[in-house]
Amino acid sequence: EAQVTQNPRYLITVTGKKLTVTCSQNMNHEYMSWYRQDPGLGLRQIYYSMNVEVTDKGDVPEGYKVSRKEKRNFPLILESPSPNQTSLYFCASSLQGTSYNEQFFGPGTRLTVL
Amino acid sequence: TQLLEQSPQFLSIQEGENLTVYCNSSSVFSSLQWYRQEPGEGPVLLVTVVTGGEVKKLKRLTFQFGDARKDSSLHITAAQPGDTGLYLCAGGVRGNYQLIWGAGTKLIIKP
Repeated sequence: EAQVTQNPRYLITVTGKKLTVTCSQNMNHEYMSWYRQDPGLGLRQIYYSMNVEVTDKGDVPEGYKVSRKEKRNFPLILESPSPNQTSLYFCASSLQGTSYNEQFFGPGTRLTVL
Repeated sequence: TQLLEQSPQFLSIQEGENLTVYCNSSSVFSSLQWYRQEPGEGPVLLVTVVTGGEVKKLKRLTFQFGDARKDSSLHITAAQPGDTGLYLCAGGVRGNYQLIWGAGTKLIIKP
């Protein structure tokens, strides 16, 4: 089944404790992206990757890191999480990084930073 | 800064009624996508429109892209409880890899 998977689905952590949210897609997509979703603000892009070893900042990259060492994986790293990073996070992928390609989303990771 | 404003932010209606939600901007987009997001899941693409004035139908859902490609609407005929969800619009600009997202319309259809 073609899908985007994220782990964990739920995470409660404390300020300053490094964490990684994994994302994997099995559709051989070139483009992958991370979003955060907050009430009333819609989806805001954190980072995106056009292909392996190519990453770029989105609209809200502060406090986050990413890497794209393999085509299928695009982990999101929070080196020192803070409470303002409490949010719902989505990973997405698409065949190519054009604005009219369908984006396939993972099920989301709900993160709470205490 | 390009913005997409969605209205209404929240809509609760009875099963069988018709409704229209809007996605407006002062900017021109080369494409406009509509996604639906159900609780606990990620958004799922419903439609992509790319031509000014374009109308696409998906069963009881009708999508229209404005002539000037600055706005779009989603009309649902005879709404069903299964239509409940968050409807998001996202605009694309040619040559830009990022989509501009609206904040969404939360739709509840009561049986």
